[in-house]
Amino acid sequence: DVVLTQTPVAQPVTLGDQASISCRSSQSLVHSNGNTYLEWYLQKPGQSPQLLIYKVSNRFSGVPDRFIGSGSGSDFTLKISRVEPEDLGVYYCFQATHDPPPFGSGTRQEIK
Amino acid sequence: EVKLVESGGGLVQPGRSLKLSCAASGFNFNDYWMGWVRQAPGKGLEWIGEINKDSSTINYTPSLKDKFTISRDNAQNTLYLQMSKLGSEDTAIYYCARAVAFDYWGQGVMVTVSS
Repeated sequence: DVVLTQTPVAQPVTLGDQASISCRSSQSLVHSNGNTYLEWYLQKPGQSPQLLIYKVSNRFSGVPDRFIGSGSGSDFTLKISRVEPEDLGVYYCFQATHDPPPFGSGTRQEIK
Repeated sequence: EVKLVESGGGLVQPGRSLKLSCAASGFNFNDYWMGWVRQAPGKGLEWIGEINKDSSTINYTPSLKDKFTISRDNAQNTLYLQMSKLGSEDTAIYYCARAVAFDYWGQGVMVTVSS
């Protein structure tokens, strides 16, 4: 099974600064159809998760452009420029290329 | 507006069964895969499984394949999760979500397995 390793586990940030989260897969996430099904979710405190990014770098509707997904193969990054208070919570990467699809273990982003 | 509302959770004794429902509205339910994800208290997200538009394909995480059954009723715009042989490890919030790429999520329903 694919394992997704997220780092860091916790990330204290200063509002207005940039933050970066890494997600590394134990296997390439390139599907046989050429797509890479790597997604990013944010779970704010007390809320359901919400989709931020799909297929590595596509922002979901309504997601601010300060969220930038990048990467390829088995190495992916989510960058958040100019962190705002509503960006705090736990970020998860998720891959849907291989079955069963796992979530990463999560990165808790908190105010420094 | 897309809306997903889970129901059917609660306190259940170990070894018993429970069936969760997810009522969908605001979109053409027949056109989408649907999935279930759970989150144990204080833990991360765990993918349970997914079902395609006409129920011809249903995938599960291997550890839950013999305990959980996903189904849907397109006429009722409802997704289901039948859970059997429940143990304390199944205590969690259960979310339904629209797939592929879980773009909309329900609010979640709590299932507590305890005697």
